[in-house]
Amino acid sequence: DGGITQSPKYLFRKEGQNVTLSCEQNLNHDAMYWYRQDPGQGLRLIYYSQIVNDFQKGDIAEGYSVSREKKESFPLTVTSAQKNPTAFYLCASRPRAGTTDTQYFGPGTRLTVL
Amino acid sequence: GESVGLHLPTLSVQEGDNSIINCAYSNSASDYFIWYKQESGKGPQFIIDIRSNMDKRQGQRVTVLLNKTVKHLSLQIAATQPGDSAVYFCAENPASGGSYIPTFGRGTSLIVHP
Repeated sequence: DGGITQSPKYLFRKEGQNVTLSCEQNLNHDAMYWYRQDPGQGLRLIYYSQIVNDFQKGDIAEGYSVSREKKESFPLTVTSAQKNPTAFYLCASRPRAGTTDTQYFGPGTRLTVL
Repeated sequence: GESVGLHLPTLSVQEGDNSIINCAYSNSASDYFIWYKQESGKGPQFIIDIRSNMDKRQGQRVTVLLNKTVKHLSLQIAATQPGDSAVYFCAENPASGGSYIPTFGRGTSLIVHP
């Protein structure tokens, strides 16, 4: 897991609620990413950020929002607009943006909608 | 679109055997490949990587082979141990594109029987 932390480990949400997943890294990495993992599927990119105060949508951004106010933090908000949010969420970081540097992952947050 | 896939969803081996996990990729422009190991409920961990100018790379008990002719990648684990039980997936990184977002395979579940 390196220097990437995610919290909480488990999160339960009632329908109609927004929830925010935390991702922090102390690796001084430029780029950060959010992925969603569902059983039997590969990682799907939600959002990514290559620099502070800038981020781009990934393949499945609808119903999610992010911010990158600090280099070390990239929180993900799952909004009520996300119709099927139950999944395992993974945050990753990469040393240098715009390169093929290896991505390193956090331990994940499992979100369950009640 | 381009995709990364795995031939076998589940591989069962006996402790001490060698394991081979395969991955096919379709983007001939990809030039950097990574294997990750993901234990249940945890984030993916980097195992080994290889660039397209290489055919083989060895680590501790692991070897990655790259066959660019048939766009095939494999991960070999020597003397497989119960602790190797996990999902293994490959990722390919494009050689161009400003964001260099990797594409991930669905994964192969490796089960090691004592």
